[in-house]
Amino acid sequence: DTGVSQDPRHKITKRGQNVTFRCDPISEHNRLYWYRQTLGQGPEFLTYFQNEAQLEKSRLLSDRFSAERPKGSFSTLEIQRTEQGDSAMYLCASILGPGGRTEAFFGQGTRLTVV
Amino acid sequence: AQRVTQPEKLLSVFKGAPVELKCNYSYSGSPELFWYVQYSRQRLQLLLRHISRESIKGFTADLNKGETSFHLKKPFAQEEDSAMYYCALIPYGGATNKLIFGTGTLLAVQP
Repeated sequence: DTGVSQDPRHKITKRGQNVTFRCDPISEHNRLYWYRQTLGQGPEFLTYFQNEAQLEKSRLLSDRFSAERPKGSFSTLEIQRTEQGDSAMYLCASILGPGGRTEAFFGQGTRLTVV
Repeated sequence: AQRVTQPEKLLSVFKGAPVELKCNYSYSGSPELFWYVQYSRQRLQLLLRHISRESIKGFTADLNKGETSFHLKKPFAQEEDSAMYYCALIPYGGATNKLIFGTGTLLAVQP
């Protein structure tokens, strides 16, 4: 499969636990985005990377959230001390990058439920 | 701040009727505008980009910089068009290349 993949697809966790999600973008894409989507809302931007550099973080991203893209390939999003309000679908997308097509390819998302 | 507004949460039409999904944006520079679609149980995918000026599945969208709009249109709706539609922009020329989405419009095409 040459598309964007996310793991896990579903995660149920108890409040206060830490969770980590993984995103594998399309291999030649150098831009990678994380979004959060709740019911009835569009994808809300969280952060994005160009290669390994994290270029922007949303104010939605509290100190409990951290994202990495260590070698400019896959990325991880960690949420520490989860709260019930963190329950959402977390989407990852990749874009080819500067000079290339700007079509974003999305993964199927990780659905987080905090109980 | 850059913003995308989709005023309708739900648009219900009958098969064969014309469709217009509204999208307005706020950005003073030169954005790139997109429509993304999500069919039931599928991932979000690109429908069309304003730069391409193409028609995909019978849908077209024209960027109107004066009205800051990028409405999506189709002359004759089909049942298979039923899906969630999101308007989005990349604010080129600004300090960021983030892709910003509207809240989406659910299009329901009745038989």
